[in-house]
Amino acid sequence: DIVMTQSPDSLAVSLGERATINCKSSQSLLSSSNNKNFLAWYQQKPGQPPKLLISWASSRESGVPDRFSGSGSGTDFTLTISSLQAEDVAVYYCQQYYNILYTFGQGTKLEIK
Amino acid sequence: EVHLLESGGALVQPGGSLRLSCAASGFTFSSHSMGWVRQAPAKGLEWVSSITDTFTTYYADSVKGRFTISRDNPKNTLYLQINSLRAEDTAVYYCGMSFYWGQGTLVTVSS
Repeated sequence: DIVMTQSPDSLAVSLGERATINCKSSQSLLSSSNNKNFLAWYQQKPGQPPKLLISWASSRESGVPDRFSGSGSGTDFTLTISSLQAEDVAVYYCQQYYNILYTFGQGTKLEIK
Repeated sequence: EVHLLESGGALVQPGGSLRLSCAASGFTFSSHSMGWVRQAPAKGLEWVSSITDTFTTYYADSVKGRFTISRDNPKNTLYLQINSLRAEDTAVYYCGMSFYWGQGTLVTVSS
């Protein structure tokens, strides 16, 4: 199985400041067939299902604010929120879909400082 | 647009059984591998089982021998048969493909 490890487990950031969440996979998620990284990021608020923010490591979903961005390749990935808003308080997960044993990171809880 | 709708969740007693269903639309269901993940209360997301387009199945160790994944391609539907339910199986179960996931269905195991 591909193990996904996020850091930190929790994060407190001031409104308007940058938030950075890291995700590391136990093996490369970069496919040689299409040169894409099979990595997605999700936001989950209490009582709701996970919401897809970013796929292919850096492709933002339609309707997702542009303050959210994804970067990285291979085994190391980052989700950045450029200017934290109150509505961004949530738990964030990364997920690999390089193989169909779809594994997720343990989650990062983002709060307002 | 990919759409996945789970159903079949319920309150069941320990040792009981359930069959979860996932209705898929917006893509060629028969051509894609599918999977189930679950989320226990206040916990993270855990992969449970997957099935390829050629019907090869995979299971997490925690459910092997108790859960069975299957698919009905003409009906565009994915299933998860869950037997010998335990309290620790209490969770919201999501079906999905790649990075698309449904809204989930709640399974509660309690006497």
